[in-house]
Amino acid sequence: KQEVTQIPAALSVPEGENLVLNCSFTDSAIYNLQWFRQDPGKGLTSLLLIQSSQREQTSGRLNASLDKSSGRSTLYIAASQPGDSATYLCAPRGGSNYKLTFGKGTLLTVNP
Amino acid sequence: DTAVSQTPKYLVTQMGNDKSIKCEQNLGHDTMYWYKQDSKKFLKIMFSYNNKELIINETVPNRFSPKSPDKAHLNLHINSLELGDSAVYFCASSLALGYNEQFFGPGTRLTVL
Repeated sequence: KQEVTQIPAALSVPEGENLVLNCSFTDSAIYNLQWFRQDPGKGLTSLLLIQSSQREQTSGRLNASLDKSSGRSTLYIAASQPGDSATYLCAPRGGSNYKLTFGKGTLLTVNP
Repeated sequence: DTAVSQTPKYLVTQMGNDKSIKCEQNLGHDTMYWYKQDSKKFLKIMFSYNNKELIINETVPNRFSPKSPDKAHLNLHINSLELGDSAVYFCASSLALGYNEQFFGPGTRLTVL
């Protein structure tokens, strides 16, 4: 059974800082891993999808890396802004039914 | 244009009632999903459908019954609602079952009194 851990659970930083969010998963037999953000009271917004054959994926100020063999992914956010404040969720996809398994998320607060 | 939409956004009802949540996607995707996010914000899959065929049923009580009239719709019917069913329910879709990005709807907050 896949288990996903995200560290830290919460993070508060001043605007402009570069930061790293960590995700680890117990079953390395995954097809891909997706990073999402969730704003309070809202749905999930897909940020990046990184396939198991890839090491990195970039979108704007976001960069996700994947080390499948060690069961780790990181989301790097450059030059953070108050609008980045949200909960960030990682979800590896695996199994015969291609299921996404979510971590509990990292609550990010970027202070002006 | 809204990609994945759900109705209603909020649903407040009494224990024992039967209710439905509707989901529609206009992305032309083949696969649709239902997720439950509990009070601790933990998000867990309930069902997935691929081309109207049930793929995943994550030991959800049989009071929950998904119905997919066509590929663009996946509705969730809940019978005999219980207090523990209170949660936010999210619908999602992806192009196909395997390797594709999932897109989520805005969620339906269900409160059972």
